[in-house]
Amino acid sequence: LAKTTQPISMDSYEGQEVNITCSHNNIATNDYITWYQQFPSQGPRFIIQGYKTKVTNEVASLFIPADRKSSTLSLPRVSLSDTAVYYCLVGDGGGYNKLIFGAGTRLAVHP
Amino acid sequence: NAGVTQTPKFRVLKTGQSMTLLCAQDMNHEYMYWYRQDPGMGLRLIHYSVGEGTTAKGEVPDGYNVSRLKKQNFLLGLESAAPSQTSVYFCASSWGAASYNEQFFGPGTRLTVL
Repeated sequence: LAKTTQPISMDSYEGQEVNITCSHNNIATNDYITWYQQFPSQGPRFIIQGYKTKVTNEVASLFIPADRKSSTLSLPRVSLSDTAVYYCLVGDGGGYNKLIFGAGTRLAVHP
Repeated sequence: NAGVTQTPKFRVLKTGQSMTLLCAQDMNHEYMYWYRQDPGMGLRLIHYSVGEGTTAKGEVPDGYNVSRLKKQNFLLGLESAAPSQTSVYFCASSWGAASYNEQFFGPGTRLTVL
């Protein structure tokens, strides 16, 4: 079963760049790496997904090294509204229908 | 489009009572999922479905049953509620397999079992 490890919490200030690193040593060859964001009292929301190298969208960037044993979610110039829990996910190793959610990283952005 | 909706939003049950949570999606997605989230924890998969008429077990299926009689609906049943089932329940749907496709989540149902 693929497993991810992320920091439990992080603090930042408005306007800073935030990098959240996730470790997934047992990632399977066909697994993609997916990040979700969750605000209090809401369901998670998809942020970004990638397989290797770098992926960028209007919200974030995802950096994946060649060995794919880790990945880094980068949030440029965070604001107070980026305060949320961020989950790094890979497949369950036994198929591609399921994702395993860990405890996530609680990001607090301060004024 | 309403996306993914869940009914009810809140519910309080007594131990031993039964109830059904309804999830509906209007995006014509094949895959649907039920998760539970406990305080300070991530989401744990209860059951999922890869298409109409199919269901499969997730990480924590005990005490729950599901049905997917229509493509747009995924029902989660608790036959005999227990305090350990007090949680927030989220439904999600995706066009294809979760590993490769964005999951869209509902707003959640907060269930308390006394």
